[in-house]
Amino acid sequence: AQTVTQSQPEMSVQEAETVTLSCTYDTSESDYYLFWYKQPPSRQMILVIRQEAYKQQNATENRFSVNFQKAAKSFSLKISDSQLGDAAMYFCAYRATYGAGSYQLTFGKGTKLSVIP
Amino acid sequence: EAQVTQNPRYLITVTGKKLTVTCSQNMNHEYMSWYRQDPGLGLRQIYYSMNVEVTDKGDVPEGYKVSRKEKRNFPLILESPSPNQTSLYFCASSLDRNSPLHFGNGTRLTVT
Repeated sequence: AQTVTQSQPEMSVQEAETVTLSCTYDTSESDYYLFWYKQPPSRQMILVIRQEAYKQQNATENRFSVNFQKAAKSFSLKISDSQLGDAAMYFCAYRATYGAGSYQLTFGKGTKLSVIP
Repeated sequence: EAQVTQNPRYLITVTGKKLTVTCSQNMNHEYMSWYRQDPGLGLRQIYYSMNVEVTDKGDVPEGYKVSRKEKRNFPLILESPSPNQTSLYFCASSLDRNSPLHFGNGTRLTVT
């Protein structure tokens, strides 16, 4: 079974600074998707960024970028120019491309990010 | 507006009293699923449905039932709720299994 590990339960960052959230995963598949979701206090689940494993290029969405290291099974999220609205719980998630694992997201336990004014 | 709608947002009930949490999507999505979120555990899948009348168990299906009689609706049924089912529940849908998931706003369930 696939597992997703977020080793940092909590992190904090000064406003306007950069922070990196870590995520590692375990899979025997070669093709899969990785995601970062943001959950603010409103408890909505918001897709931040998505990476397809067969794509070498790291995904980027405005101030959010990932460092995808396929061989190391690492998928970290970098938030640049942090803003107060970035304060949230962040979840890393994995989904296989084929087979039974493609019907579910496997989530990490989350990292709570605080932004200090 | 494209959305996944869950109701209710909050629910307090007692052990053993059957309840249903509704989920509806207006995007003609084939795939729908239910997750529960617990502190320190992240989100775990309860059940999913690939299409009408096709459902399957996720990682934590015990104590739950689902049905998919129509494409847009995917209710979660707790026949005899217990306190260990106190949790935050999310319904989600996607066009197919390889498309991004759209989540509902969650249902906070408390079973006393």
